[in-house]
Amino acid sequence: DAGITQSPRYKITETGRQVTLMCHQTWSHSYMFWYRQDLGHGLRLIYYSAAADITDKGEVPDGYVVSRSKTENFPLTLESATRSQTSVYFCASRTTYQETQYFGPGTRLLVL
Amino acid sequence: AQTVTQSQPEMSVQEAETVTLSCTYDTSESDYYLFWYKQPPSRQMILVIRQEAYKQQNATENRFSVNFQKAAKSFSLKISDSQLGDAAMYFCAYTDAGNMLTFGGGTRLMVKP
Repeated sequence: DAGITQSPRYKITETGRQVTLMCHQTWSHSYMFWYRQDLGHGLRLIYYSAAADITDKGEVPDGYVVSRSKTENFPLTLESATRSQTSVYFCASRTTYQETQYFGPGTRLLVL
Repeated sequence: AQTVTQSQPEMSVQEAETVTLSCTYDTSESDYYLFWYKQPPSRQMILVIRQEAYKQQNATENRFSVNFQKAAKSFSLKISDSQLGDAAMYFCAYTDAGNMLTFGGGTRLMVKP
């Protein structure tokens, strides 16, 4: 049971480059989420999706783009990376009727 | 907007002892859910326990239990018989029908052998 996976696990990029972080879940959960965690802090919601082709902004969406063409995938794109986007990014998912979110292992992104 | 506050940045406990981590939250909703997540050095976010606001009974999961005080908007986590593997960051989190999980700032728990 693979659950929820993220790739890459570590990424170093430069300011201004486009970066895409991948999230894949095998549970057929309808909801998927992207969070970022900055040093010493809890997680903050970037975007979420209630189903394929349905996405909505979270608390900190600026500088990010998401898409969800398939239920199992929810990629997060940084169109032009900035140093302030250096963070650990977590993908999560849940079913329609349960509020508990289950998290992937995270992607550590460093923007130089 | 909902807020979650963890007032203890760090806590320590002796192995086999009991420790309680504090969490308070602010909401105007009557129906919501509260969670404790554990984040070990691997950074994986692991669900420890959840509580539905409509349930009066406090949730328990083996050595982990909560003290849910709805009127006081308090949601503390008690860890009994602490083990070395319990050492981690612990995050309190809140959600209602709005989909977003709102997290507290975390408490680092150290377990002394």
